[in-house]
Amino acid sequence: DTEVTQTPKHLVMGMTNKKSLKCEQHMGHRAMYWYKQKAKKPPELMFVYSYEKLSINESVPSRFSPECPNSSLLNLHLHALQPEDSALYLCASSQDGVNSVGYNEQFFGPGTRLTVL
Amino acid sequence: AQKVTQAQTEISVVEKEDVTLDCVYETRDTTYYLFWYKQPPSGELVFLIRRNSFDEQNEISGRYSWNFQKSTSSFNFTITASQVVDSAVYFCALSEFANSGNTPLVFGKGTRLSVIA
Repeated sequence: DTEVTQTPKHLVMGMTNKKSLKCEQHMGHRAMYWYKQKAKKPPELMFVYSYEKLSINESVPSRFSPECPNSSLLNLHLHALQPEDSALYLCASSQDGVNSVGYNEQFFGPGTRLTVL
Repeated sequence: AQKVTQAQTEISVVEKEDVTLDCVYETRDTTYYLFWYKQPPSGELVFLIRRNSFDEQNEISGRYSWNFQKSTSSFNFTITASQVVDSAVYFCALSEFANSGNTPLVFGKGTRLSVIA
């Protein structure tokens, strides 16, 4: 079962709101990822968790705060976002992660389409 | 530095035509992995194939086939007898096997394929 789920599917928030994006996988994968994708662009890596520890932060502004409560769950907490943060946020997982040896093909969730007003 | 180039920004074909999507990559590593993903209008990236640098065998899966040529640093993707459901953005991606393990995926800019009935 190669499925990654994300909630919510759509989110509209104001610049002063606090919201969270959620991602879940039950494939026993050891690495989980957050990507941001703007229209007509490829996905941009934001964060990587490997074995529940943050292993990569691609210089993402602190208004984005990731959290990995356990090996199956990944959250992205949002606070004081800007309109330019509006994008599709994709979560992915892989059996093995970066900085490890093994299967690193990533399986993506359907994404959360975020609009910041 | 690793780089993936998908020179075709948009391609339109008539249903049942064959179409080839080009991918050219740059890497200094001798061990690396190449991937193709499909992103339909719904937004989810769908994993299609992973190829190791030491395995140059071409692959066929139904109407899909991949041609990997290290001599030209290319990993092209052909859809035979295209169908409207093939309409999507297709991304080629590269991951290197560095000293400490796999590096994050580097995506090309994507090729938007439109199949017209």
